[in-house]
Amino acid sequence: EVQLVESGGGLVQPGRSLRLSCTVSRFSFGDFAMSWFRQAPGKGLEWVGFIRSKPYGGKTEYAASVKGRFAISRDDSKSIAFLQMNSLKAEDTAVYYCARVYSTGSYVLFDYWGQGSLVTVAS
Amino acid sequence: QPVLTQPPSSSASPGESARLTCTLPSDINIGRYGIHWYQQKPGSPPRFLLFYSSDSHKGQGSGVPSRFSGSIDASANTGTLLISGLQSEDEADYYCLIWPSNAYVVFGGGTKLTVL
Repeated sequence: EVQLVESGGGLVQPGRSLRLSCTVSRFSFGDFAMSWFRQAPGKGLEWVGFIRSKPYGGKTEYAASVKGRFAISRDDSKSIAFLQMNSLKAEDTAVYYCARVYSTGSYVLFDYWGQGSLVTVAS
Repeated sequence: QPVLTQPPSSSASPGESARLTCTLPSDINIGRYGIHWYQQKPGSPPRFLLFYSSDSHKGQGSGVPSRFSGSIDASANTGTLLISGLQSEDEADYYCLIWPSNAYVVFGGGTKLTVL
């Protein structure tokens, strides 16, 4: 079965950096775009950004709330997607999820998700 | 980025139907982009339920029962998730989502559905 596992979360001070990893298995990672989301405690879902597959240039897109501070990358040889988070703020505290982006040809959906990794930004 | 409006809560009894709505801002034409629905239970990641743009352009998530269906009221720029024959296991948070472009994605604020 397809698996996505986030890692790298934890407690970090405001202004510092943290990198999350999303390690996937049982699908051809290089063929798919990957996306990151977050969910602050007790709040709704927020899209963070995504990275296209290499055939589509590996281009990234970001939500306005994180653009310029967060960066998504990928290592297709290791089937890992990364979320580099810089200049972290208290409001970045959330559970971060990665998800596979799947295109049916008619529409696009996020079909497989990881269980999430908690990032807490506090001094 | 646009804001999708969902009622924060809704409730219905087992066996009844629940209609969860998602209203788009006037500058985003729901008929053009369609609407996606996700379900999230406590402690779990979201699960894709369905996509709806029209009766000829829609899709159901893997393993999602047919009692979950979508519709659109173009005049109100609103999408609706209909859950028929409510079951206790349907108690969850439901989020709508749109892709206004290939460069960003927007969620609604979510509706907490309680099965009485």
